[in-house]
Amino acid sequence: EAQVTQNPRYLITVTGKKLTVTCSQNMNHEYMSWYRQDPGLGLRQIYYSMNVEVTDKGDVPEGYKVSRKEKRNFPLILESPSPNQTSLYFCASSLPGARGTEAFFGQGTRLTVV
Amino acid sequence: KNQVEQSPQSLIILEGKNCTLQCNYTVSPFSNLRWYKQDTGRGPVSLTIMTFSENTKSNGRYTATLDADTKQSSLHITASQLSDSASYICVVSSMNTGFQKLVFGTGTRLLVSP
Repeated sequence: EAQVTQNPRYLITVTGKKLTVTCSQNMNHEYMSWYRQDPGLGLRQIYYSMNVEVTDKGDVPEGYKVSRKEKRNFPLILESPSPNQTSLYFCASSLPGARGTEAFFGQGTRLTVV
Repeated sequence: KNQVEQSPQSLIILEGKNCTLQCNYTVSPFSNLRWYKQDTGRGPVSLTIMTFSENTKSNGRYTATLDADTKQSSLHITASQLSDSASYICVVSSMNTGFQKLVFGTGTRLLVSP
């Protein structure tokens, strides 16, 4: 089954404790992206990757890091989480090509930083 | 500035009734427009994708329309069911940036009441 898998689904952590949210896709997609979703706001892009070892900042990259060492994996790293990073996070993947290309989303990771 | 605006913000309808959700966008040059359904706390799931040349596209009880001249789209839900209760998100991509920079609306929250 084609899917994007995120782990963990839920995470409560303390300020300053480094954490990693994993994202893996089984569709051999080149493009992957991380978003955060907050009440009253649309999904906002954190980082995206167009292929292995190619990453770039989205609209809200501060406080986050990513890596793309393998095509299927795109982990999101919070080196020193703060309460304003409490949010619902989504990973997405897609094939290249703007016209009519499907984007698949993971099930989400709800992060709470206390 | 590329923007997507959706209306209404929220909607309550009785089971079995029809409803229409609206999406206006300013993204240019336009590539495609997608409607996603997002259950609470879950990842968005694609309903339809329409490119410039497509005026309408259906997916079961969901029918999306696109007017590229006025930059408007609508999502019509026929004979609503309780399982239609969700947020519906309009997403537009530009020919210049494609998947790298999807522009998300803030969604319409639909509640179908028995």
